[in-house]
Amino acid sequence: KNQVEQSPQSLIILEGKNCTLQCNYTVSPFSNLRWYKQDTGRGPVSLTIMTFSENTKSNGRYTATLDADTKQSSLHITASQLSDSASYICVVSAAQAGTALIFGKGTTLSVSS
Amino acid sequence: DVKVTQSSRYLVKRTGEKVFLECVQDMDHENMFWYRQDPGLGLRLIYFSYDVKMKEKGDIPEGYSVSREKKERFSLILESASTNQTSMYLCASSPPLLNQPQHFGDGTRLSIL
Repeated sequence: KNQVEQSPQSLIILEGKNCTLQCNYTVSPFSNLRWYKQDTGRGPVSLTIMTFSENTKSNGRYTATLDADTKQSSLHITASQLSDSASYICVVSAAQAGTALIFGKGTTLSVSS
Repeated sequence: DVKVTQSSRYLVKRTGEKVFLECVQDMDHENMFWYRQDPGLGLRLIYFSYDVKMKEKGDIPEGYSVSREKKERFSLILESASTNQTSMYLCASSPPLLNQPQHFGDGTRLSIL
């Protein structure tokens, strides 16, 4: 069964610290892996999309990694800011016609001052 | 920038009512989606459409229908609203290519009393 598991479920860190969120998946055949950020009361916004051949992709202070062999991805946030407080959702796309997206349940990050 | 606009941010309806949720996108995207988001369950796909007048069932279509008469507009219809349809509803659009992100609206928080 296609599944996406994220850990931890929630995380609290101090402003300025780094953190790493994890995503494990069992999706086949694999097409790409996406990370979204969802602020409270808003829709998700795309951070990165990585295909099978990409190991790392950055978007400002956000760096996503992908290990297609172990079917694991991580999202590293550097020098966290209060505005990073949000839910981070990992989404894996199966290699079918455009719509087979499997969503993780998200990690809720709280950055405190 | 892509903009996906959902007609209402908050909506309160009564059980048995027919409810319409509207979504409009301004980027000429072929694909449009309706999701519901519930705590602990993540995003679940209700219906999607890959062209005008075309629709496909997602994972949880029961109790819902959709309409896509124009490319930019995708409507979600609750035929006879029930309390278990109280949820956050998110609309998204994307180009047809596999490695393109979805763009989400900010959601409609629907309460059925």
